Amino acid sequence: GAGVSQTPSNKVTEKGKYVELRCDPISGHTALYWYRQSLGQGPEFLIYFQGTGAADDSGLPNDRFFAVRPEGSVSTLKIQRTERGDSAVYLCASSPGQNYGYTFGSGTRLTVV
Amino acid sequence: DQQVKQNSPSLSVQEGRISILNCDYTNSMFDYFLWYKKYPAEGPTFLISISSIKDKNEDGRFTVFLNKSAKHLSLHIVPSQPGDSAVYFCAAKNPSNTGKLIFGQGTTLQVKP
Repeated sequence: GAGVSQTPSNKVTEKGKYVELRCDPISGHTALYWYRQSLGQGPEFLIYFQGTGAADDSGLPNDRFFAVRPEGSVSTLKIQRTERGDSAVYLCASSPGQNYGYTFGSGTRLTVV
Repeated sequence: DQQVKQNSPSLSVQEGRISILNCDYTNSMFDYFLWYKKYPAEGPTFLISISSIKDKNEDGRFTVFLNKSAKHLSLHIVPSQPGDSAVYFCAAKNPSNTGKLIFGQGTTLQVKP
């Protein structure tokens, strides 16, 4: 597609459940980033993929969060045992490489009730 | 610790006047700075950037100024238009990190007709 696509756009889940958030980057972009934006804050870095590998996962808050990009294209962010504090907008971005500006998707708004 | 700070949560200006959005940072290793604009329910979109070797970059109505000694940058929009109403984020890149950006909290700009 022309831009970065994130699905679903909205997700409501119960505390303790497992969720998966999907990101389709711009075709050919090798770098993929996940950020999380809480209300009133700027985006906060979670993880960076270069190709299939996670080159920097220093922003993942704890081991309940995990992300994969098995074929170097689509990425899935997985959150286990969700907590109310996980409620936020999860943003995905892609770029041709780490030294280029990147394009964000519209985000997935996750609400944990 | 907040390495990139936007101390003004909101700004209101009259159409046709200048808008000045400010950003301060603490890490002298940051070598590249960007401004993003965000409309509701959309992802941030890149607006303008500046390398740390420059003190000014201009693109149409948008100019970014960098004062390295003060660790301060600002975005000037002139003349401001109602369509500029959005949340503006400044972001900084550290050369030792892999494309990861550190964002400020954002400033909501309202341009009144």
